[in-house]
Amino acid sequence: DTEVTQTPKHLVMGMTNKKSLKCEQHMGHRAMYWYKQKAKKPPELMFVYSYEKLSINESVPSRFSPECPNSSLLNLHLHALQPEDSALYLCASSLVDSPNQPQHFGDGTRLSIL
Amino acid sequence: RKEVEQDPGPFNVPEGATVAFNCTYSNSASQSFFWYRQDCRKEPKLLMSVYSSGNEDGRFTAQLNRASQYISLLIRDSKLSDSATYLCVVNIRRFQKLVFGTGTRLLVSP
Repeated sequence: DTEVTQTPKHLVMGMTNKKSLKCEQHMGHRAMYWYKQKAKKPPELMFVYSYEKLSINESVPSRFSPECPNSSLLNLHLHALQPEDSALYLCASSLVDSPNQPQHFGDGTRLSIL
Repeated sequence: RKEVEQDPGPFNVPEGATVAFNCTYSNSASQSFFWYRQDCRKEPKLLMSVYSSGNEDGRFTAQLNRASQYISLLIRDSKLSDSATYLCVVNIRRFQKLVFGTGTRLLVSP
């Protein structure tokens, strides 16, 4: 079982809805990440949080809004998404923001935009 | 040229076979290297880190060749449960940006 927990597992929403994805880890990791993965493609980095501060935004559209309320939680707020935003959204964490630390992934939220 | 390149496969092998995957990376400043496996519709899971001296974990052996900028994964005595996509992952920047290869699909048959 993964030690990074994501909810919900599946989400279907209309283009005008507002929803949030949640990610939680209790491994004491201080770096957390959001990735987007389309079918048969590798994960693409969206955001990086280090010690609860946003350190990387990979030019993600503003309809995606990340939030890190504390060191264990990471949210991704969604608003006015487009059909092409349908994908698997993966959260990951690592011990610290260090190039030698592997990342551990949650099992993702499968998002469908109608 | 992609930052991380892998042969997409699929590699079809019988149980018990030995199979090897290579992965090349373009940025010589790359610092850390990993192999992840991803099952269909599941999250990537860390298989092993790759160290400069090479490392082994049971049936899996990883090698790094910095001069030629490639890493490899060798799987011995393949099991049916090894069927998955194997992602080569390279950390290039100090801020932990992992760059994923497109993955190599392995199918192990009885």
